[in-house]
Amino acid sequence: QVLLVESGGGLVKPGGSLRLSCAASGFTFSDYYMTWFRQTPGRGPELVSYISHSATTIYYGDSVKGRFTVSRDNSKNSLYLQMSNLTAEDAAVYYCARDRLRFSSSWVHDFWGQGSLVTVSS
Amino acid sequence: ETVMTQSPATLSVSPGERVSLSCSASQSISSSLAWYQQKPGQAPRLLIYTSSTRATGIPARFSGSGSGTDFTLTISSLQSEDFAVYYCQQYNNWPLTFGGGTKVEI
Repeated sequence: QVLLVESGGGLVKPGGSLRLSCAASGFTFSDYYMTWFRQTPGRGPELVSYISHSATTIYYGDSVKGRFTVSRDNSKNSLYLQMSNLTAEDAAVYYCARDRLRFSSSWVHDFWGQGSLVTVSS
Repeated sequence: ETVMTQSPATLSVSPGERVSLSCSASQSISSSLAWYQQKPGQAPRLLIYTSSTRATGIPARFSGSGSGTDFTLTISSLQSEDFAVYYCQQYNNWPLTFGGGTKVEI
C-alpha cells in the first residue's frame, strides 16, 4: 500500500535551519509529482512547495520563496524540504503528499503522510 | 488568490442524519474543487475531486455537487466514523487554496 513517512521535524531557533524528509513506498515514486503542505491548528493546509516527477518543475509559495528548497531522490524514493531562516510563522505540521495523477499535475492529492511537527522558538 | 469560505464552521448532528456542508469560492473555479476529511492527529483524506467524483474507496454516502462558486458536500447518513473536520480545496486558480474547514461533531 502507499505509504509516506515524514521525518526531520523538531524544535529550532528563529533564524535556524531544518531539513525534512519524506520516505515513499508502495508506488513508483519517480512517476508522481510530490507536494509539501503545512498546517497550523484550526486552519486548512497551505501549499508550501511542489516538485514534478522528474524535478524539472518546482514551485514555492510566496511565504517560503528564497528560504526553502525542495528536492527529490528518485533512486531513494525520497522527497526533501530544506528550510532555512525559519521564523515563528513557519511553525506548523508539515505534510508530504502525492498528486493523484502519474506524470502530471492534477493538484489533487490522494495520499498524505502523517506529518512532521516543526516548532520555531528561542 | 482565490479565497475559499466554508459554512458553517461547526455542525452539531446525530448519527444517521443527512448533512450538507457548503463551500464558496471568491471567484469562479469551474468544477475544480476537492473535499478532504481530517480527523484529529491524522492527515487529510481525499474524499471528492472535480466537485463530484468520489476518490477510490470512499463510501457512496459521500457526494459532492456544484460548479462555479458554490459547492456542497453531502453525507447521506452520518456514521460515527464521519465525525471530523472537512476542508474544501480549489485547484482552478493558482495558488491552490483551502477553506477554513467545517467541524462535524455530535
